[in-house]
Amino acid sequence: DTAVSQTPKYLVTQMGNDKSIKCEQNLGHDTMYWYKQDSKKFLKIMFSYNNKELIINETVPNRFSPKSPDKAHLNLHINSLELGDSAVYFCASSRDYGRSQYFGPGTRLTVT
Amino acid sequence: SQQGEEDPQALSIQEGENATMNCSYKTSINNLQWYRQNSGRGLVHLILIRSNEREKHSGRLRVTLDTSKKSSSLLITASRAADTASYFCATGFTGGGNKLTFGTGTQLKVEL
Repeated sequence: DTAVSQTPKYLVTQMGNDKSIKCEQNLGHDTMYWYKQDSKKFLKIMFSYNNKELIINETVPNRFSPKSPDKAHLNLHINSLELGDSAVYFCASSRDYGRSQYFGPGTRLTVT
Repeated sequence: SQQGEEDPQALSIQEGENATMNCSYKTSINNLQWYRQNSGRGLVHLILIRSNEREKHSGRLRVTLDTSKKSSSLLITASRAADTASYFCATGFTGGGNKLTFGTGTQLKVEL
């Protein structure tokens, strides 16, 4: 009965590989997000989807492509992984704009 | 950068004492939110204060907002060891949809 879940929790992979992180929310929220938290704990938004439509797309390399098959899911695919992609990636959701956000447990990505 | 800054970066207190964290930001906002992050976990929403509100309470938490000074404070009263965590403020900007911009965080340690 987890509200926002992510898989996998840990991901260790080599440079150049392509990987995906999945996110699901069972809260019935309309809006979902991807954030990246670096080693200094700085948290920065990457993407936001509202009802499967891309709303926010921050300055993120084209290697990152979000996909929202339905309102409850927002996946993140990363091509040609680089060392600098190592971070913790958080998925979040909210009922609407201006509301509090519910975060998933995070996916720790390590690129070697 | 619109990133908020928090002060102090780290705070260590004894159980039972009060903890105060401050957040400053740079532009107009719709709301300001505080989140807690325990080590290795996702963020948990604590409280949301709208730009037309000055103070808000939730249990042992008290948040103030001064839009003229572009600052907010989070007070945790009668702290407990379980309050040990990182605390982040996040601002929702006018016209920014529900994009939250997170501060740098305050690491709070409550010792027995």
